Amino acid sequence: ILNVEQSPQSLHVQEGDSTNFTCSFPSSNFYALHWYRWETAKSPEALFVMTLNGDEKKKGRISATLNTKEGYSYLYIKGSQPEDSATYLCAFNDYKLSFGAGTTVTVRA
Amino acid sequence: EPEVTQTPSHQVTQMGQEVILRCVPISNHLYFYWYRQILGQKVEFLVSFYNNEISEKSEIFDDQFSVERPDGSNFTLKIRSTKLEDSAMYFCASSGTSGGPPEYFGPGTRLTVL
Repeated sequence: ILNVEQSPQSLHVQEGDSTNFTCSFPSSNFYALHWYRWETAKSPEALFVMTLNGDEKKKGRISATLNTKEGYSYLYIKGSQPEDSATYLCAFNDYKLSFGAGTTVTVRA
Repeated sequence: EPEVTQTPSHQVTQMGQEVILRCVPISNHLYFYWYRQILGQKVEFLVSFYNNEISEKSEIFDDQFSVERPDGSNFTLKIRSTKLEDSAMYFCASSGTSGGPPEYFGPGTRLTVL
C-alpha cells in the first residue's frame, strides 16, 4: 500500500482569500499524479493529470504544481469562492491509483 | 456532460447475502474500474476491467468479488457472501484513455451490511 499523504486534512478560507495545500507521494515508480475535486453528494471530478517534473496546470482559479524528485504536489486556489468548497483528492498513479485522504476546503462567505 | 450512473444509491443487506452493484459507464469508454471507500478511510482501488476481462485487481478483490459486463452497457460488481467489513461506498469509474486513470466517477452506491 503506497503512502500518499495530504495536508492539511481540512481548512477554512475566507471568501476572496487564496489558499494552497499539499499532496506527498513516493518519488519512485512515478507515472502520473492526479487531482480530483469531490463535492459532497457528487462524484469525484477529475481536475488535473500531471506527469512531468515541474508541471504546472491551471483551470480557472485553481492551479497545481508538481515536484516528482521530492515527491510532492501543491494545489492552489486563488480568490476562493463558496463554490470551491469541496474535498480535493490527489491520487498517485504507478499504473494504478492510490488516493490520499483528501483536503476538505470550506470557503466562508 | 457525459456521466457514469450507478444503481442502487443505497443497498442494505444481511451478512452472508449476495449483492450486485450496477454501473453504466460512459458509452464510448473502454476501461472500467471499481473503487470503494470505507467510512473515514481513503478511496481504495478494487479492480480494473478492459476488453471483457480483469486487467488488474487489488488484494481486497478476493474470491468473494467478481465483475462482469453482461450486455455491453452495464458493468457490475458482485459480492458473493457479504461481510460486515464490506460496508462502504462503492464507486464505479470509466475512462476512454488507453491505460489512463478514471476520468469519470459515478455517484457511488452505499452498501450497508448488517
